[in-house]
Amino acid sequence: EVQLLESGGGLVQPGGSLRLSCAASGFPFSSYVMSWVRQAPGKGLEWVSTISDSGGRTYYADSVKGRFTISRDNSKNTLYLQMNSLRAEDTAVYYCAKDSPTARHFDYWGQGTLVTVSS
Amino acid sequence: EIVLTQSPATMSLSPGERATLSCRASQSVSSYLTWHQQKPGQAPRLLIYDASNRATGIPARFSGSGSGTDFTLTISSLEPEDFAVYYCQQRSNWPWTFGQGTKVEIK
Repeated sequence: EVQLLESGGGLVQPGGSLRLSCAASGFPFSSYVMSWVRQAPGKGLEWVSTISDSGGRTYYADSVKGRFTISRDNSKNTLYLQMNSLRAEDTAVYYCAKDSPTARHFDYWGQGTLVTVSS
Repeated sequence: EIVLTQSPATMSLSPGERATLSCRASQSVSSYLTWHQQKPGQAPRLLIYDASNRATGIPARFSGSGSGTDFTLTISSLEPEDFAVYYCQQRSNWPWTFGQGTKVEIK
């Protein structure tokens, strides 16, 4: 059974940093593209970042480029999102999502972790 | 950036009724269109991929159609558990984008 378990969310002041983790199990993690998607309170879904199976290619939304860094440790089956220079508008539930074998869509989502940026 | 416009924003229906949800793209996304369902307090769940393929475990009352710029998600007969928010998403071009969602609520 595929499981994606996010952690690391919490309350942080504007300008601060946070690192999110997503522990994966139930599938060969190193073979799949992984992503982060966020959802601000009461709002829709926003794609944030994607990393290739090897970690060699990364992609970012303009809204987080230069501030967030996606990475993965295939030996630990874990996906990360390092978030720096956080802003109030980064407040959201952050979901990790697994790609399908065809890499054409997300097929599994984690339960999410809430990040609140506030003074 | 490809903009996905979903309509209507909200639809009020009764169990047993048919729901037809629309997703229109600002430019062609071929068939790289996915539908996800989200219930309150829960993570999204994959429903339909490649515009018309049901994901594993998704009931046959859910169907998707369309290509290019116009897509439809149809729920043939609403069950109580189908009242939720539905999002379309494209992965044809970077950045990947989502529609703003259609809420299907109980009338």
